[in-house]
Amino acid sequence: AQSVTQLDSQVPVFEEAPVELRCNYSSSVSVYLFWYVQYPNQGLQLLLKYLSGSTLVKGINGFEAEFNKSQTSFHLRKPSVHISDTAEYFCAVTPNQGGKLIFGQGTELSVKP
Amino acid sequence: DAGVTQSPTHLIKTRGQQVTLRCSPKSGHDTVSWYQQALGQGPQFIFQYYEEEERQRGNFPDRFSGHQFPNYSSELNVNALLLGDSALYLCASSEGTNTEAFFGQGTRLTVV
Repeated sequence: AQSVTQLDSQVPVFEEAPVELRCNYSSSVSVYLFWYVQYPNQGLQLLLKYLSGSTLVKGINGFEAEFNKSQTSFHLRKPSVHISDTAEYFCAVTPNQGGKLIFGQGTELSVKP
Repeated sequence: DAGVTQSPTHLIKTRGQQVTLRCSPKSGHDTVSWYQQALGQGPQFIFQYYEEEERQRGNFPDRFSGHQFPNYSSELNVNALLLGDSALYLCASSEGTNTEAFFGQGTRLTVV
C-alpha cells in the first residue's frame, strides 16, 4: 500500500519570498508522483509530475519539485511567490499508470502582501 | 474543449435519500475516476471506470456505486445517505493508461 504525508498543514509566506511545501511518501513499489493545486471552490489542477528521468521537474506557474528516492520525498518549491499562489496544494502518488491517486492531506499556502 | 464537466454543482439531500452525480469526461478520454473530498482533507479514491466496467475500487461501502455509459460519461450513485457523506465529489478523466488525470470542478453534496 502507499501513503502520502504532507508535513505542513499551513504555510504562511510573504509575497516575493521563496517557499517549499514538503511531501514524503511510503511505498513498497515504484510510484509516479504529482503535485496538484486547488483554488477555493474549484477542482484540482495539475502543477507537475514525475514519471521517470531527471529528478528535478518543472511545472506551471514557476513551480518545480525534486524527487529524492532515498528520502522518499517530493518537495515543491517556488523561488518567488505571488498573492495569486494562495491555494491548497496536494501531493499525490500512484503505483500504476492511469491508476488511482493517493493524496496527502494538503498544505494551505497563504501569501501575504 | 469543455474539459471535465460535472453536474450539479451543488445539492442538498436528506439523510436516507439517494443521490446521483454526473460526469462528462474531457474529449478523447475514456477513463473516469471518482473521488470524495471531505472538508479539510485530501481527495479519497472511490472507484474508476474503463470500458464501462469498474476497474479499481477504493475503501468505500457498497452504498457507493457507479456506471459508465458508451459515450464514456459516468454516474456516481450513493444510497441511504449519511451525514458523513457530505463532501465535494470530484470526477477525473484520463486517456487509457495515461497518467495525467484532469479534474472537474466537483459537486458539493450536503446531507442534512
